[in-house]
Amino acid sequence: SQTIHQWPATLVQPVGSPLSLECTVEGTSNPNLYWYRQAAGRGLQLLFYSVGIGQISSEVPQNLSASRPQDRQFILSSKKLLLSDSGFYLCAWSGLSYQQYFGPGTRLTVT
Amino acid sequence: QQPVQSPQAVILREGEDAVINCSSSKALYSVHWYRQKHGEAPVFLMILLKGGEQKGHEKISASFNEKKQQSSLYLTASQLSYSGTYFCGTVPPLDRDDKIIFGKGTRLHILP
Repeated sequence: SQTIHQWPATLVQPVGSPLSLECTVEGTSNPNLYWYRQAAGRGLQLLFYSVGIGQISSEVPQNLSASRPQDRQFILSSKKLLLSDSGFYLCAWSGLSYQQYFGPGTRLTVT
Repeated sequence: QQPVQSPQAVILREGEDAVINCSSSKALYSVHWYRQKHGEAPVFLMILLKGGEQKGHEKISASFNEKKQQSSLYLTASQLSYSGTYFCGTVPPLDRDDKIIFGKGTRLHILP
């Protein structure tokens, strides 16, 4: 069966510090991968998606970047965090069934 | 492009019915429904891929009106476990990357 992991679960970082969130998927090959952000009480904002290794598409201009160094690994990064980067970050994958499976999420607080 | 959900929030007593609507200004290829409990990740409920399609999942069902570019989620005889935020997500035609554009969500609170 397929599983998706995200870490860390929670993170508190000062403004201007770097960020690295990791997502890995097990039990499937060549998944589409997605990063979403959810601000408190808000909807799901698609940040990046990837259809293959090294292929990243950005949906929203911001100070975040994403990379996919391996087929089932998706990384979200920032060189300098802003207060507005606080939120709940969700990684998701999809296969042939179009259904998206979400990871447990990382709650980021920028102070 | 973001679909519009209505109502934004609803409070029901256990056993009552609810309808959540999702409409788009663009043509749709598919509509997705997810439920998110507080502090947790969204969980898939169902996908509707064809205009006119209806699906059921226990007491939760949905319809997709392709011509009207809208979908509705029906929750009958609601249970306490149905509480949460419901998101619809839409995928336009010819989108090969399965990018779902989610609405802002409908908060559902079930009272005992």
